[in-house]
Amino acid sequence: DIQMTQSPSSLSASVGDIVTITCRASQSISSYLNWYQQKPGKAPKLLIYAASSLQSGVPSRFSGSGSGTDFTLTISSLQPADFATYYCQQSYSTPKTFGQGTKLEI
Amino acid sequence: EVQLVESGGGLVKPGGSLRLSCAASGFTFSSYSMNWVRQAPGKGLEWVSSISSSSSYIYYADSVKGRFTISRDNAKNSLYLQMNSLRAEDTAVYYCARDQRGGSCYDYWGQGSLVTVSS
Repeated sequence: DIQMTQSPSSLSASVGDIVTITCRASQSISSYLNWYQQKPGKAPKLLIYAASSLQSGVPSRFSGSGSGTDFTLTISSLQPADFATYYCQQSYSTPKTFGQGTKLEI
Repeated sequence: EVQLVESGGGLVKPGGSLRLSCAASGFTFSSYSMNWVRQAPGKGLEWVSSISSSSSYIYYADSVKGRFTISRDNAKNSLYLQMNSLRAEDTAVYYCARDQRGGSCYDYWGQGSLVTVSS
C-alpha cells in the first residue's frame, strides 16, 4: 500500500496568513493526489484534485502543486472559514490511502 | 443538486451485523462508481470499499475483507454496506462518497452514519 505522510500535523496561523501543507507519498503517484477539507462534525469536502485542479466552487485562494512524491496545498490569505483539518489522498492505486491530516488552528 | 444520505447506523454488539444504506439523488447514479470511507472517533479518514457503476469491480480494505460486502441497486439509486462480524475497531462514522466522473477523487460525500460496536 502507498503511505501518505502530511506535515505538519497541526499548524497555528492567523487570518490573512499564507499557509502551506505538505504531503509526501511513499512511492511515485504521478499527479494522482487530492486534497480535502473537513470541519468538525461535517463530511470532507473536495478542494483540489489531480494535484492542482481546483474543484468547482472552491475559492481561488486554495492551490495545489507537485508531482511524483511531493505535493503541497497552499492557502493564500487565510479566512476564518479555512480553519479546519486538511487531508491528502492518493488515487494512483487501490487502496486509495489518505494522509493523517493537518489541523489548521487559529 | 447531488445528495447522498446514509442510514442504518447504530449500536451493535461485537460479532454482530449491520447494513448501511446510502440513498443517492440529483445525478445519474448508475453512471458513477461509489465508495465507503470511515472515520473512527478523533481519527483520520480510512477508505473501506469501492464499487464500479455496474458492480463489475469491487474492492475492499484489508481491514474489512471477508467481513464487509459492498453492493448497489441502480434501479433504487442506492448503495449498501453489509457489515458482519463487527469489532470494536469498526466503530466509526461511515461516509458514502461518489467518484468524480472521469477522475479518481471523491467529489460528493454524504453526511455520515455512526456505527458503534460495543458490548
